[in-house]
Amino acid sequence: IQLTQSPSFLSASVGDRVTITCRASQGISRYLAWYQQTPGKAPKLLIYAASTLQSGVPSRFSGSGSGTEFTLTISSLQPEDFATYYCQQLNGDLYSFGQGTKLDIK
Amino acid sequence: QVQLQESGPGLVKPSQTLSLTCTVTGGSISSGTYYWNWIRQPAGKGLEWIGRFYTSGSINYNPSLKSRTIISLDSSKNQFSLKLSSVTAADTAVYFCARERQRHAILGVPSTPLLKFFDIWGQGTMVAVSS
Repeated sequence: IQLTQSPSFLSASVGDRVTITCRASQGISRYLAWYQQTPGKAPKLLIYAASTLQSGVPSRFSGSGSGTEFTLTISSLQPEDFATYYCQQLNGDLYSFGQGTKLDIK
Repeated sequence: QVQLQESGPGLVKPSQTLSLTCTVTGGSISSGTYYWNWIRQPAGKGLEWIGRFYTSGSINYNPSLKSRTIISLDSSKNQFSLKLSSVTAADTAVYFCARERQRHAILGVPSTPLLKFFDIWGQGTMVAVSS
């Protein structure tokens, strides 16, 4: 299953609301997770099952969608949110990641 | 709390086999509904799922790497391992191990949706393929 994220690059300012989209090449129900990665670090789980916030993750992060189209929204960007974001599909037994969206400061 | 740590050679020659180990501390690799995964990331690029092992013996591999990959588990050492054979420069990457947790939306109620996610990751280890 191929995942396509858009945009691949995004420039925004502190306080902005941003949305990242992830489209699956076939339906994956709600088997989608979102991760945040900063340089030199392992990815960090933000959201699973399309919309469930992982414990400890700020509520400004939210996810939605099902089937083939999903979104990650950050309601008010904070300085620590500038990072690369990946979606991951976990449908069945073979997994894959989107190509990533790099969010940087405008 | 559970932690994962990758280890292995940082340099492998072309055509040889890359071997990495992920050591699990703070919990048993055999307990709970966990799958143990390997993921890699070439420099400046995205994440690629390699495969996973479940303690029941179930194993799944990325079809693009399946012919060269073996993932195994050593519960006596609380470790799981990755072997990737016939490596080329294209296999140069940071390799991560990660724990996949599965649970039902309502704990103990199997009729509710199954939730799956990678909740714990190792810090990653860089492997270069070069002569």
